[in-house]
Amino acid sequence: QKEVEQDPGPLSVPEGAIVSLNCTYSNSAFQYFMWYRQYSRKGPELLMYTYSSGNKEDGRFTAQVDKSSKYISLFIRDSQPSDSATYLCAMSGDTDKLIFGTGTRLQVFP
Amino acid sequence: NAGVTQTPKFQVLKTGQSMTLQCAQDMNHNSMYWYRQDPGMGLRLIYYSASEGTTDKGEVPNGYNVSRLNKREFSLRLESAAPSQTSVYFCASRGRPNTGELFFGEGSRLTVL
Repeated sequence: QKEVEQDPGPLSVPEGAIVSLNCTYSNSAFQYFMWYRQYSRKGPELLMYTYSSGNKEDGRFTAQVDKSSKYISLFIRDSQPSDSATYLCAMSGDTDKLIFGTGTRLQVFP
Repeated sequence: NAGVTQTPKFQVLKTGQSMTLQCAQDMNHNSMYWYRQDPGMGLRLIYYSASEGTTDKGEVPNGYNVSRLNKREFSLRLESAAPSQTSVYFCASRGRPNTGELFFGEGSRLTVL
């Protein structure tokens, strides 16, 4: 079993929709949780960062962490065609080892 | 500011050949990483280096070696390339352990025939 599980999609939504992306994990030592966005043929870029449980909001993006369920989410409100990309969750514990999910490919059509 | 620079960007090898992927960062970061990305598999950690002089295995280290030459440079070597190593390789660096943002290079596309 992989330490981090993520539905690969693809997920196709109309412009303006609310998008929900999720990851589950098995390692209870994970306490730092991140979401990266990757455009085609580019390296990933950090989108959101959360420590331990709770919510964090940044503009149209909200990250949620539920450590009791080992479940993290990223919500995108008022989705735009420019949000079309692959979204990867990532997490780490006390070591410097950062583990990524498989990524979910999102397409937002006009 | 160049950030993380990887070379080469593209490479084609024959089975059994060796090669080294080079990575350099100019952000004075302590931690550096090598990942490979394959369709449907996401980013998988090959090796990482928490500081100059130290390296640790990641999820998929078999068939690879690494060298942390100095604080700036972290190279990945394939001693005897296999078709299963066809992939896109990403180097990354991180300024603060655990909490810092990972900065990625543009990727190196390797094909092993």
